[in-house]
Order: sequence, then C-alpha cells, then structure tokens
Amino acid sequence: KAGVTQTPRYLIKTRGQQVTLSCSPISGHRSVSWYQQTPGQGLQFLFEYFSETQRNKGNFPGRFSGRQFSNSRSEMNVSTLELGDSALYLCASSLMATGANVLTFGAGSRLTVL
Amino acid sequence: GESVGLHLPTLSVQEGDNSIINCAYSNSASDYFIWYKQESGKGPQFIIDIRSNMDKRQGQRVTVLLNKTVKHLSLQIAATQPGDSAVYFCAELYGQNFVFGPGTRLSVLP
Repeated sequence: KAGVTQTPRYLIKTRGQQVTLSCSPISGHRSVSWYQQTPGQGLQFLFEYFSETQRNKGNFPGRFSGRQFSNSRSEMNVSTLELGDSALYLCASSLMATGANVLTFGAGSRLTVL
Repeated sequence: GESVGLHLPTLSVQEGDNSIINCAYSNSASDYFIWYKQESGKGPQFIIDIRSNMDKRQGQRVTVLLNKTVKHLSLQIAATQPGDSAVYFCAELYGQNFVFGPGTRLSVLP
C-alpha cells in the first residue's frame, strides 16, 4: 500500500511569493494534518482536514491556508512568503479524524525562502 | 540529508547496548502517546504507542514506559543497532491535537 506522498520534495522561493504544497494520503485515510518542522521550533501543528472540512487550526498567521478535496488529497498554501517560513512541511494522514489514531507522515516538502 | 534539529539533546550509545530516551510531556490530561523515529531526509515513522490506562507496552526491541505521576515517557531500545541512529520524538494527544516534544538525537557508535 502506498504511503503518504508529498510534492514537491524541494523548492526554493523568494520573499513575497506564494507556494502551494500537495499531499496525497494513504488510500482510505480521510484525515490529513499539516506540520511545520524547523530546527528552532520543532514540529508545530498547522491544521487538520477531515472530509473536506478544517477541523483544527494551529497558531499560525492567516497567510497559511489549506484545503482538502473529495478524494482526501490536500493542499496547503503559504502566501507572501517570509524568510522565517523556510522549513520542512510535513503532511500526515490517519484513518479517522485526529484522536487516538496513529499519524502516518510523508517525507515532507523542504521549502527554502530567499 | 536535511537537518532535523541542529541543537537537539544527543544520546550516544555503543552498538549492542540498550538505549533509553526520555520525554517529559506537558499535559496531565493527555491520554495517548506515540514515539516517532525520524531519519535524515525522511518524515517521522511510527515506532510504538501507549494509552494512559497503561504504564508499559512492548514491541519488537522497543518498550515504552509511561509515568503519569511525573508526566514522563521513556523509550527503551534493546541491543541498539546502527540503523537506530535517528532523531526520536514523543507526541502526546492533548485534546484533538498531537503535541510533539523537541526530540532526541540517538547516535550509535561502532
């Protein structure tokens, strides 16, 4: 069974640009969560989607947004990029909405903002 | 590969020895915990989980211990192997979200 697939794996943007990252969950998984990972802050929760609805949102500015499609695939968007947005963005899927369910992570999308 | 954390606490163990990685969690109401392993260039991988109604759970070569009194979680790896070198994170389920610890880098010495 295929794992969680994230694209692109690496990308470089400049300040002020916007970026869209994609995540395909494990087949049958309906929940997708996004995390930002940086050396200084570790893994920080961005948001979670279940059945195309945002269930939870972390403490990030409105420049960070996401959506989920009917096939459970998810995208996240960051607008007006700042240098501090450079990070590894991880997507995780689970069978049910977040609760006592194991999150299965993708390999991440490494964003560098210049 | 990507650097997961430049200033993480590091545990160095000899190959074949047992490793113990500790985690202090934040919320006494957390009722589910997971240990993840992250190798360079990869996303976190599930190792083992434990619910708050248990104080110990064993897997293959790994044991998780939960001490709710002091809000402490530990991961024990038996007969540590070079392939165990990675960053290890604990995660607690608090409310509807997982909160991740800062991670510990395990370095296995030959």
